[in-house]
Amino acid sequence: GQQLNQSPQSMFIQEGEDVSMNCTSSSIFNTWLWYKQDPGEGPVLLIALYKAGELTSNGRLTAQFGITRKDSFLNISASIPSDVGIYFCAGQNYGGSQGNLIFGKGTKLSVKP
Amino acid sequence: DTGVSQNPRHKITKRGQNVTFRCDPISEHNRLYWYRQTLGQGPEFLTYFQNEAQLEKSRLLSDRFSAERPKGSFSTLEIQRTEQGDSAMYLCASRRSGRESSGYTFGSGTRLTVV
Repeated sequence: GQQLNQSPQSMFIQEGEDVSMNCTSSSIFNTWLWYKQDPGEGPVLLIALYKAGELTSNGRLTAQFGITRKDSFLNISASIPSDVGIYFCAGQNYGGSQGNLIFGKGTKLSVKP
Repeated sequence: DTGVSQNPRHKITKRGQNVTFRCDPISEHNRLYWYRQTLGQGPEFLTYFQNEAQLEKSRLLSDRFSAERPKGSFSTLEIQRTEQGDSAMYLCASRRSGRESSGYTFGSGTRLTVV
């Protein structure tokens, strides 16, 4: 089945630094989504990408849908303590499985003030 | 609308007992999904409904698991004869069907601990 490789697994950075994480897939997706999950809570959608090559921003967050449709990255600029959490990429396809999300294993972000 | 609501937030049960979780989706969302998340992993798909019809189940959904959405609104997930391996966070998500409405909204989850 489809699998997502998300890297890095964890990051420990200084407040104010920029962060970059990415996701690669063994097969193509029609949609890429990026979620953030705080401890004991469900994932919260950050950015949704619908077209290959699309670059989308949400405040300090920027994400891109790779041209090959097999990868995506998320950048966070000028990190702040509340950015701490686990970031998940998720891919989605249409057709056989009606839009079920396939998640990566997450990138755990820690920010030192 | 306050989003996707899940109850209970936490459940501790003894091995062999049955448990039932409830999910109340966003009211205008016709699709409802159940996911399971274990420590250090991303959520994994279990099953989904479009209105009241259960349209897909993953291999993860053993015979001990059953889900219902009787009136196309709230859903329940029941686990019979719980095992320690069932310990996980069970997440519910909802969305509207349609290509550009891929924004799943997740609930806060029900954390199950089987002792």
